[in-house]
Amino acid sequence: AQTVTQSQPEMSVQEAETVTLSCTYDTSESDYYLFWYKQPPSRQMILVIRQEAYKQQNATENRFSVNFQKAAKSFSLKISDSQLGDAAMYFCAGGTSYGKLTFGQGTILTVHP
Amino acid sequence: GAVVSQHPSWVICKSGTSVKIECRSLDFQATTMFWYRQFPKQSLMLMATSNEGSKATYEQGVEKDKFLINHASLTLSTLTVTSAHPEDSSFYICSARDTGGIEKLFFGSGTQLSVL
Repeated sequence: AQTVTQSQPEMSVQEAETVTLSCTYDTSESDYYLFWYKQPPSRQMILVIRQEAYKQQNATENRFSVNFQKAAKSFSLKISDSQLGDAAMYFCAGGTSYGKLTFGQGTILTVHP
Repeated sequence: GAVVSQHPSWVICKSGTSVKIECRSLDFQATTMFWYRQFPKQSLMLMATSNEGSKATYEQGVEKDKFLINHASLTLSTLTVTSAHPEDSSFYICSARDTGGIEKLFFGSGTQLSVL
């Protein structure tokens, strides 16, 4: 069983600034994956970044990076140089290689020009 | 890249009718598909998991007789909402996993169901 918790219902950031979205999780699995998905108004789920739990190195994808603290069961997303197009609902999710995901409650990110 | 096609994008139906939603993998074989439900500004909640050629596995609290899932081929899974009622109005999203594992997990574009 897995639980994912996002404690920030809403966040805002100025364009070009940096923002961090928080996520904590709990799982009984030894081998698992963690994700950040972006859901814009179109509601298409867009994979932002994926982290394999067995990898100690934090994943990065261009302006997006994570801070994976395995012992603390924390998985935060940092967005650098925020752009207007980053505005969306962001979901933290966890799952095993089977593909069944558990999602957090989501964080609405607003980017101010 | 791999694409998962979900149809229709939106559907409006009368209470008591049935609605079928299709999720199709276009360029890969989807051994496993997942169906989620999302209410406005809320999270995605897993409804069921389907494996090709097998009966779907439903999450606790999901009525399997109301939400019929068929995964008859490696490229197509369908969700049929039977005798739909206004409380079934929601956004339904599928995801499909290739044989390559979770690195090849893709989402459909979703279906907005509105039951009048």
